[in-house]
Amino acid sequence: QIVVTQEPSLTVSPGGTVTLTCASSTGAVTRGYYPNWFQQKPGQAPRAVIYSTYNKHSWTPARFSGSLLGGKAALTLSGVQPEDEAEYYCLLFHGDAQLWVFGGGTKLTVL
Amino acid sequence: QVQLVQSGAEVKRPGTSVRVSCKASGYTFTSYGISWVRQAPGQGLEWMGWISAYKGNTNYAQKFQGRVTMTTDTSTSTAYMELRSLRSDDTAVYYCARVYGLDYWGQGTLVTVSS
Repeated sequence: QIVVTQEPSLTVSPGGTVTLTCASSTGAVTRGYYPNWFQQKPGQAPRAVIYSTYNKHSWTPARFSGSLLGGKAALTLSGVQPEDEAEYYCLLFHGDAQLWVFGGGTKLTVL
Repeated sequence: QVQLVQSGAEVKRPGTSVRVSCKASGYTFTSYGISWVRQAPGQGLEWMGWISAYKGNTNYAQKFQGRVTMTTDTSTSTAYMELRSLRSDDTAVYYCARVYGLDYWGQGTLVTVSS
């Protein structure tokens, strides 16, 4: 069974920078995993913020960026705003199994 | 503008089936696939599978194989997800989302399985 692991929770101060990571039990995450990142606020549907590692959607704020870091996918928020407080999920494609798998989510608190 | 509008909430008995619909508008339906994702109360997101709206090819998560069927009706730009042999742990909000990048999502459909 494939497991995708994220930090359960992180806290950041307004205006600060925070990096969320996403690891796969199958090994180092590469661009071939097409990492996607989603933001979800309570009571709302998820909203896509990053696709295929580092690409932003037209609505994604400039302070969000995606990358690969130390064998993991990463989402960095620079100049965090209070409205960034949310749950963040990564999604990885596992080509051998032709499956997409979500991470467990990171609860980001802005405090 | 791209919109995915899902059918309304359902209450089902254990052992029965549910079918959730997802009507797309604002884009060429057959140019994208549709993924289905569910979220149990207080839990994370779970990818269930996807269907190509062009060819009807499907790929299901192993957990749901044999119990789920995803289909599309290109004449109405609607995708469907049927889940059979429902159990209480199938209680969740079910979402459809456009592939690729899951860029647009439906509003979600709450399916409650209870005796």
